[in-house]
Amino acid sequence: GDSVTQMEGPVTLSEEAFLTINCTYTATGYPSLFWYVQYPGEGLQLLLKATKADDKGSNKGFEATYRKETTSFHLEKGSVQVSDSAVYFCALSSSSNTGKLIFGQGTTLQVKP
Amino acid sequence: DAGVIQSPRHEVTEMGQEVTLRCKPISGHNSLFWYRQTMMRGLELLIYFNNNVPIDDSGMPEDRFSAKMPNASFSTLKIQPSEPRDSAVYFCASSKHRDRVYNEQFFGPGTRLTVL
Repeated sequence: GDSVTQMEGPVTLSEEAFLTINCTYTATGYPSLFWYVQYPGEGLQLLLKATKADDKGSNKGFEATYRKETTSFHLEKGSVQVSDSAVYFCALSSSSNTGKLIFGQGTTLQVKP
Repeated sequence: DAGVIQSPRHEVTEMGQEVTLRCKPISGHNSLFWYRQTMMRGLELLIYFNNNVPIDDSGMPEDRFSAKMPNASFSTLKIQPSEPRDSAVYFCASSKHRDRVYNEQFFGPGTRLTVL
């Protein structure tokens, strides 16, 4: 079945460091891919998405490219800030065509000043 | 738009009591999802509805949990009787699903449930 695997956290970085959070997936067909972010005490919110192979999603300095050949959707940011500290979830659209998303387990990012 | 609205935001109850969580999805959205989040188990999908019809409730932990969606603008998740292991943050999310078009889910702020 469909599944998403994220790198385990927590990830601890200093401010202005480069960020990569790995995400790989297993899916039938051609899913859409998403990154969600959850700030402390809040619900998840969409960070970026990509709907087909080689698409690059971007938002707030974050980027991720849909790599079908490696079944990956790694999240990157060139220079993190303390305010980026949050939990990041990778997700894909289920092949069941019901609108259901399959989420990874989440990766906690902590950025220190 | 007010976004997904959940109530209450916090609920503290005693074991054995009935708990009802409420959700109002974004107007015009036709899919609704209930999730549970804990430190131990992460984010779990409990049940989801398309056009008010339950599609998959395989994530509902046991018969003590039930969910309804009587109309397009309201859903409830009920736990009866509640147990301490039900303590978690419960999220409701909605989306506008069209065939083969995968739109984002919008999450509510969550209900933090504590069962003593």
